[in-house]
Amino acid sequence: QKEVEQDPGPLSVPEGAIVSLNCTYSNSAFQYFMWYRQYSRKGPELLMYTYSSGNKEDGRFTAQVDKSSKYISLFIRDSQPSDSATYLCAPAESSASKIIFGSGTRLSIRP
Amino acid sequence: GAVVSQHPSRVICKSGTSVKIECRSLDFQATTMFWYRQFPKQSLMLMATSNEGSKATYEQGVEKDKFLINHASLTLSTLTVTSAHPEDSSFYICSARGIAYEQYFGPGTRLTVT
Repeated sequence: QKEVEQDPGPLSVPEGAIVSLNCTYSNSAFQYFMWYRQYSRKGPELLMYTYSSGNKEDGRFTAQVDKSSKYISLFIRDSQPSDSATYLCAPAESSASKIIFGSGTRLSIRP
Repeated sequence: GAVVSQHPSRVICKSGTSVKIECRSLDFQATTMFWYRQFPKQSLMLMATSNEGSKATYEQGVEKDKFLINHASLTLSTLTVTSAHPEDSSFYICSARGIAYEQYFGPGTRLTVT
């Protein structure tokens, strides 16, 4: 079993829709949860991070962590064509430990 | 925000030659840098962790004699792919971590070995 499981997609939604991206993980020691966005042929960029369980909102993006079910979500409101990219969930055990990346979900927002 | 650069962005080399890729943190000091490899439509695979002034720590299955990593300063780490072969063709990405835990990624280097 992989430490982090993520549906590879592709996921295609119309502009303006709410997008839900999800990951599950198996390591109960994960405490930090990050989401990265990667455009084609570019390096990933950090979108959001949360510590332990709970929600965090930043503009149109909301990150949600449920440690009891080992489930991580990223919601995008009012999706835009510029949001079309691959989204990687990336948990870590501590601030000093390595990050484990999910396989990424390819998202396409149709104009 | 923190900026990490990589050079070159793209390189084509012949089989059997060596290629060096540079990773620089431009506006912060990075005690730790990471090197990843990414194949098409796949996620990032950590190759090694590089700490300034000490030997790199390689992930299982990564040949340290083939992928030489040097982290001689707080702003520069290099990855040298020695005796490159076509199967080494990939997208190589570095990241740098400063005093906080976030990793900032470089734009990547696309290596093609012919």
